[in-house]
Amino acid sequence: RKEVEQDPGPFNVPEGATVAFNCTYSNSASQSFFWYRQDCRKEPKLLMSVYSSGNEDGRFTAQLNRASQYISLLIRDSKLSDSATYLCVVNRGNFNKFYFGSGTKLNVKP
Amino acid sequence: NAGVTQTPKFRVLKTGQSMTLLCAQDMNHEYMYWYRQDPGMGLRLIHYSVGEGTTAKGEVPDGYNVSRLKKQNFLLGLESAAPSQTSVYFCASSRGEDQPQHFGDGTRLSIL
Repeated sequence: RKEVEQDPGPFNVPEGATVAFNCTYSNSASQSFFWYRQDCRKEPKLLMSVYSSGNEDGRFTAQLNRASQYISLLIRDSKLSDSATYLCVVNRGNFNKFYFGSGTKLNVKP
Repeated sequence: NAGVTQTPKFRVLKTGQSMTLLCAQDMNHEYMYWYRQDPGMGLRLIHYSVGEGTTAKGEVPDGYNVSRLKKQNFLLGLESAAPSQTSVYFCASSRGEDQPQHFGDGTRLSIL
């Protein structure tokens, strides 16, 4: 079983829509969680860290559910510029225990 | 703000050739990493370093070697390139062991 699993998508949504992605992780010892954004043929860029209490950054909200071992990312009022692949990253607390999901592709259309 | 810089950006090699990828960071980060990214597989850790003079194997280390002679630089070497090493290589650095990683813009390597 993979450490981190994501629905590859693509999620095709119109501008202004609300879209949510989930990411499941297999190891209950996981301690840190992040969402990265990766544009086509570019490097991953940190979108936001995910805290136990949940966190929000503008149109983006991240949640952690330890009991069910998943994290989620909610994007409100989608923009064309949100089109990208979103990577879920899970860390077990060690520098060499970062696990990257394969990513969920989002296409926001006019 | 340079952040993490990788050179070269693109390279085509023939099977059996050798080359070195260079990663430089100006954030004074202790931890540095080399990943490869292949379609549908996500990022996989090749080697990592927790400080100057130290290196360790990651998930897919075979066929690669690394060195960290200076804190700001992390080199990835391919001694005898194979077609299976065709990939996009990303270097990253982080401030702490559970801190988010910052990535360079990648090296696209093709082995013919």
